[in-house]
Amino acid sequence: SAVISQKPSRDICQRGTSLTIQCQVDSQVTMMFWYRQQPGQSLTLIATANQGSEATYESGFVIDKFPISRPNLTFSTLTVSNMSPEDSSIYLCSVGGGALRGTDTQYFGPGTRLTVL
Amino acid sequence: LAKTTQPISMDSYEGQEVNITCSHNNIATNDYITWYQQFPSQGPRFIIQGYKTKVTNEVASLFIPADRKSSTLSLPRVSLSDTAVYYCLVGENDYKLSFGAGTTVTVRA
Repeated sequence: SAVISQKPSRDICQRGTSLTIQCQVDSQVTMMFWYRQQPGQSLTLIATANQGSEATYESGFVIDKFPISRPNLTFSTLTVSNMSPEDSSIYLCSVGGGALRGTDTQYFGPGTRLTVL
Repeated sequence: LAKTTQPISMDSYEGQEVNITCSHNNIATNDYITWYQQFPSQGPRFIIQGYKTKVTNEVASLFIPADRKSSTLSLPRVSLSDTAVYYCLVGENDYKLSFGAGTTVTVRA
């Protein structure tokens, strides 16, 4: 298993500003993921972040809006840029997901609750 | 990715068994079935995973019929702390998870 922490746990921001969310893992992991969970909704994958390579974004998410860094095997950041009220969500990072099904699962952080005014 | 359909909500009482059925008619040969649990203000937590027949762990059981077009998560003797959203996921790997709407299970005293 893996223990994941996120900072900040919550924040209230003004529209037009940017917020960087940090994700720290207690062990080295290859794959890290960023999800968004809008109020009352399910989770949507934003991007996959592997150390040493550019993040891979899912349809509907772009690097200019959600730049991601992955400087080492235990840390990643997600920035929500030029925020609008529609960006108000919970942002979660996760790790895990082995190449072989059934050998690993994803472990999620507690999330960062973002409110944009 | 195979689409999944599960009930939006289920109510139960403490001590009862809760069974949540997930439909995945388009499941592929290499797909596994995985269930996650999410409490309010927390990230999802892995519960159980299976490919066919029955899988049991300390938390739940997963029943998968031979055609694999559906699966049933069984939570034995639920308590108030089992109130959560339960997600059924189908896919061939453990990354790029695709979460559906989930089933909100409410356990009452």
